Amino acid sequence: QQQVKQSPQSLIVQKGGISIINCAYENTAFDYFPWYQQFPGKGPALLIAIRPDVSEKKEGRFTISFNKSAKQFSLHIMDSQPGDSATYFCAASITSGSARQLTFGSGTQLTVLP
Amino acid sequence: ETGVTQSPTHLIKTRGQQVTLRCSSQSGHNTVSWYQQALGQGPQFIFQYYREEENGRGNFPPRFSGLQFPNYSSELNVNALELDDSALYLCASTKDAFYGYTFGSGTRLTVV
Repeated sequence: QQQVKQSPQSLIVQKGGISIINCAYENTAFDYFPWYQQFPGKGPALLIAIRPDVSEKKEGRFTISFNKSAKQFSLHIMDSQPGDSATYFCAASITSGSARQLTFGSGTQLTVLP
Repeated sequence: ETGVTQSPTHLIKTRGQQVTLRCSSQSGHNTVSWYQQALGQGPQFIFQYYREEENGRGNFPPRFSGLQFPNYSSELNVNALELDDSALYLCASTKDAFYGYTFGSGTRLTVV
């Protein structure tokens, strides 16, 4: 119930291409869905996030698509750049007791070739 | 804003020992969470502190404990270290827990 499944595990894209990472969840009590970007030796950094009452959110080259009925959401990176090469984590947030708890996917290692 | 700072950055301990990891939260952030990130995996929630009280815990045994101080800095203590405790330990802080956290760069703990 608490799992978030992420695919693919790794992704190689040419510069200028579109990167697509998919996630699925089971627990309908999740109420906030952030994406994090992590570079080697660094902690995750919030990239973009969406609430389940919205089907799409766009910020610059990054877009989240959210399908509440299918319990799936995805990250699209348009015009992918070598600087986007990093590990991306989807996450889902829930209130557990008095705490907000993030459940992360297993990550996607993105490589953008120059 | 100085962000979230963690110390030390790397640590090697022997199985059975105890370890304390430290975190300074971002200015103005009153909520701190700790996460464990095993190699090649996503972070897993350990616990959260709000106003010096633990208000939520993930699926971690009691030998994982913590503190939050009046200045909102925090410590993670792990007793009786096991080899499987080897991981990157991340501290995250926020002033509005609904909308997400600012993560530190983590402490890499190796248990030998």
